[in-house]
Amino acid sequence: GAGVSQTPSNKVTEKGKYVELRCDPISGHTALYWYRQSLGQGPEFLIYFQGTGAADDSGLPNDRFFAVRPEGSVSTLKIQRTERGDSAVYLCASSPTSSYNEQFFGPGTRLTVL
Amino acid sequence: QKEVEQNSGPLSVPEGAIASLNCTYSDRGSQSFFWYRQYSGKSPELIMFIYSNGDKEDGRFTAQLNKASQYVSLLIRDSQPSDSATYLCAVKGASLDDKIIFGKGTRLHILP
Repeated sequence: GAGVSQTPSNKVTEKGKYVELRCDPISGHTALYWYRQSLGQGPEFLIYFQGTGAADDSGLPNDRFFAVRPEGSVSTLKIQRTERGDSAVYLCASSPTSSYNEQFFGPGTRLTVL
Repeated sequence: QKEVEQNSGPLSVPEGAIASLNCTYSDRGSQSFFWYRQYSGKSPELIMFIYSNGDKEDGRFTAQLNKASQYVSLLIRDSQPSDSATYLCAVKGASLDDKIIFGKGTRLHILP
């Protein structure tokens, strides 16, 4: 399909492990956003990319979280030394540019840290 | 810390009535305002955006913005059971490149 895709759809890991979550945006979209959504909460901004560079990473909670987008398309969110509090749905969204109003969301990755 | 506040609900509205969803925001410099709908277990989808004071209508939906009061609302006319979802208010700062801050959402339940 032509939408935003995220893999895996579900990830169960143990406390202390490293995980990578992948986002494949809509083709041609230069802006890419990562959010985290806990149950009963709205999406919490983590980071956004305009092209290959992180335009705003002010939402990353600590240095265990890191994201890359080396070729300006696919992005990977990396979480080191996972903690139970990291359990949430991680949403990725893309838009044609960062000034475009609509963000198109992917289906999300549900991360569970045991 | 920029904040977007919504009543979490649930808001129960009879089928066919008007549902009114409200949102306040803290950053007076905010310029763009969005309403997203999120069905349970699904991702958010954009319903409407508004940047000028006043009303903006799209089908059964009307967004209302009052920048002086830092208040934005969404009205849903002729509510249908399929409108039952969580409605997320989202706000973008003064720059077009600013990130979007989401509220916690209001759960809406349309009673058949």
